[in-house]
Amino acid sequence: DTEVTQTPKHLVMGMTNKKSLKCEQHMGHRAMYWYKQKAKKPPELMFVYSYEKLSINESVPSRFSPECPNSSLLNLHLHALQPEDSALYLCASSQAGGVGNEQFFGPGTRLTVL
Amino acid sequence: GNSVTQMEGPVTLSEEAFLTINCTYTATGYPSLFWYVQYPGEGLQLLLKATKADDKGSNKGFEATYRKETTSFHLEKGSVQVSDSAVYFCALSSAYGDSWGKLQFGAGTQVVVTP
Repeated sequence: DTEVTQTPKHLVMGMTNKKSLKCEQHMGHRAMYWYKQKAKKPPELMFVYSYEKLSINESVPSRFSPECPNSSLLNLHLHALQPEDSALYLCASSQAGGVGNEQFFGPGTRLTVL
Repeated sequence: GNSVTQMEGPVTLSEEAFLTINCTYTATGYPSLFWYVQYPGEGLQLLLKATKADDKGSNKGFEATYRKETTSFHLEKGSVQVSDSAVYFCALSSAYGDSWGKLQFGAGTQVVVTP
């Protein structure tokens, strides 16, 4: 299985809602990533988990809260988002510890904040 | 810091034409280099990679060679198909400083292939 899955595929939420994005991989990868991608732009790194521990937070606002319950799962909890947070949220995974290790991306969750 | 520069798009060409997308980089040491492709409405897929100088990555008819002397990793395909229409991202991963392991992406190049 060389797939990263993400749910839901689409999400519409109000600014007062709380929602979560879910990501799953069964490739035995020990590094997992969250990216945000705006239209016609490259992905921007948000968080990196390595061996289930948060290793990189790219100064992301606290209304985004990541969680890694186990080595296969990665969640992104959303609360009090702003309309400018509307974007495609991508999850990725890779073997940990190597610069040459490629990242495998999921299909993304298209988030709209009203 | 590290950076990746790609030619701006959109690049529009006819089916069976030759495709080149230029990519140059700035990085400390010896980064690994990648090409990712993003089809409309989808996530990114790794197209090919190279981890050291003079390596050639290839996949699905696409090729790119890691040129240290010119700090380049240009993507080429000899005969494109309509199904190659997508956005192509050049990226690097470096072992130095706070860039360790992170993917630094170029701006992306949209390719449109017409029948």
